[in-house]
Amino acid sequence: QQQVKQSPQSLIVQKGGISIINCAYENTAFDYFPWYQQFPGKGPALLIAIRPDVSEKKEGRFTISFNKSAKQFSLHIMDSQPGDSATYFCAASKGETSGSRLTFGEGTQLTVNP
Amino acid sequence: EPEVTQTPSHQVTQMGQEVILRCVPISNHLYFYWYRQILGQKVEFLVSFYNNEISEKSEIFDDQFSVERPDGSNFTLKIRSTKLEDSAMYFCASSPWTGIMNTEAFFGQGTRLTVV
Repeated sequence: QQQVKQSPQSLIVQKGGISIINCAYENTAFDYFPWYQQFPGKGPALLIAIRPDVSEKKEGRFTISFNKSAKQFSLHIMDSQPGDSATYFCAASKGETSGSRLTFGEGTQLTVNP
Repeated sequence: EPEVTQTPSHQVTQMGQEVILRCVPISNHLYFYWYRQILGQKVEFLVSFYNNEISEKSEIFDDQFSVERPDGSNFTLKIRSTKLEDSAMYFCASSPWTGIMNTEAFFGQGTRLTVV
């Protein structure tokens, strides 16, 4: 019930293309859904996050789409750039209080070819 | 820009030895966490810490693990008797208090622990 499943495991996209990464969760108590970006040798860094009261959130080239009934959410990277090449993790947590644990997906290694 | 700092960046230890991983969270943050990432796998929650006590821990965080905030700035993870399977990247994170809403957890660069 605590799992977050992420796909695909790896993704190769041409520069300028759209990268789409999908996640599904089981626990309906989750109400905070962040995406983290991780470069080799670095810690995860928050990219964008959404709460279930909205179905979409956009920040620059990054958009989260959220489907509460299907318990799925996805990250769309528009106009993908070689600098976007990194590992992306979706995550979820229960937000009854600050400081709740994050449950991460398995990660997607994105490669954007020039 | 404030950041979470972790030391050392890489620690090699003999099986059965004790290790202490150190972290300096962002100064005005109140929640502190340890996560680990075994090579090629997902990031896993170990423990969260608030108001000088553990607020939540995972099944991974057994009696071999302990956390401490020995002073106003450091946050440590101790593994008493390391096993080969403890080899992983350990991330410290911190987040501010925002009342009832979850907010961003800021992660450090990680400490790579290698148990030989």
